[in-house]
Amino acid sequence: SQQGEEDPQALSIQEGENATMNCSYKTSINNLQWYRQNSGRGLVHLILIRSNEREKHSGRLRVTLDTSKKSSSLLITASRAADTASYFCATETTGNQFYFGTGTSLTVIP
Amino acid sequence: EPEVTQTPSHQVTQMGQEVILRCVPISNHLYFYWYRQILGQKVEFLVSFYNNEISEKSEIFDDQFSVERPDGSNFTLKIRSTKLEDSAMYFCASRRDSSYGYTFGSGTRLTVV
Repeated sequence: SQQGEEDPQALSIQEGENATMNCSYKTSINNLQWYRQNSGRGLVHLILIRSNEREKHSGRLRVTLDTSKKSSSLLITASRAADTASYFCATETTGNQFYFGTGTSLTVIP
Repeated sequence: EPEVTQTPSHQVTQMGQEVILRCVPISNHLYFYWYRQILGQKVEFLVSFYNNEISEKSEIFDDQFSVERPDGSNFTLKIRSTKLEDSAMYFCASRRDSSYGYTFGSGTRLTVV
């Protein structure tokens, strides 16, 4: 299965700390995307990183991609209580299929 | 900011009934998708649609499911005879092309009783 696996499954940190989530996948990809989902609500696209990119920034978000290890990480710096949500990586394979990972539940304690 | 709009936000239906979930993708987007998320589980791909036809579908998307883009703006998912296990959040998504991420709607929560 191509489906990604995030770790950790759950992460609890204090406000102001950095949060790092990892994603691993199995087959070749065109790109990898990170999404956020607040409890019971829709998915919000955060960032897309292409297979030929190694690092990308967007505001407090930093995403890395290591295609040799088939892994990616999402770093949220200076976390806020409002960052509390589930975070999913999603991979678009070279076969143009798209799979979500299992998600990391992030809790930021004020 | 353009949005993908889904209606209704919550639908309750009796087992065996047909339901139609509606989505209005972003107007200049070319690719359309349906995903579902059973409560507490991961988001699962159902189907992708491009150029007025299905381009990919998953094993979940069996003969009970169909999609349509009837009028150039709406994109619908029909479940012909709902089962209890169809209860889930259904997300519609669209994107302009492969250079862009997906824009998801806020979902329709389907409850089959």
